[in-house]
Amino acid sequence: KQEVTQIPAALSVPEGENLVLNCSFTDSAIYNLQWFRQDPGKGLTSLLLIQSSQREQTSGRLNASLDKSSGRSTLYIAASQPGDSATYLCAVNQAGTALIFGKGTTLSVSS
Amino acid sequence: NAGVTQTPKFQVLKTGQSMTLQCAQDMNHEYMSWYRQDPGMGLRLIHYSVGAGITDQGEVPNGYNVSRSTTEDFPLRLLSAAPSQTSVYFCASSPRRDTEAFFGQGTRLTVV
Repeated sequence: KQEVTQIPAALSVPEGENLVLNCSFTDSAIYNLQWFRQDPGKGLTSLLLIQSSQREQTSGRLNASLDKSSGRSTLYIAASQPGDSATYLCAVNQAGTALIFGKGTTLSVSS
Repeated sequence: NAGVTQTPKFQVLKTGQSMTLQCAQDMNHEYMSWYRQDPGMGLRLIHYSVGAGITDQGEVPNGYNVSRSTTEDFPLRLLSAAPSQTSVYFCASSPRRDTEAFFGQGTRLTVV
């Protein structure tokens, strides 16, 4: 059974720092991996999607990498801002039917 | 485009009542799914559909029914609400099995 783990569970950084969020999964047979952002009481906003054949994807200050063989993905956030404060979720698409989620990393960026 | 629309946003039910959570998407996506989000448990899959007329169970299907009569709509029915079904429910859709998933804003359900 696929299991997705996110470390750390919570992270606090001062504004301007570069940071890395980690996601690991136990079964490398995936279609893709997707990173989401969730603000308190809100829905999920898709940040980046990495297909199983890709190594990384970039969007603005965000860069996500995927190492399928080792079962790892990282989300790199450059020059963090208070507006980046949210919970970040990673999810793997296995069997192409639905997503299996980690429990998230809650990020707090202080000004 | 409206994207994925869920109604209602909030609902309080009494134990034993039934209700339907609505989910509609206007992107002509084939894949739709329902998740519940609970503190400490993350998001867990309830049911999913790979196209109109086709549904299947996810990780936590007990107490819920779904149907998919059209591409656009994927309602989730609670047959007899229990306090354990207090949760936030999310609906998602995607064009194909290997593409980006889009989520609705959620329905916060409380069963008393």
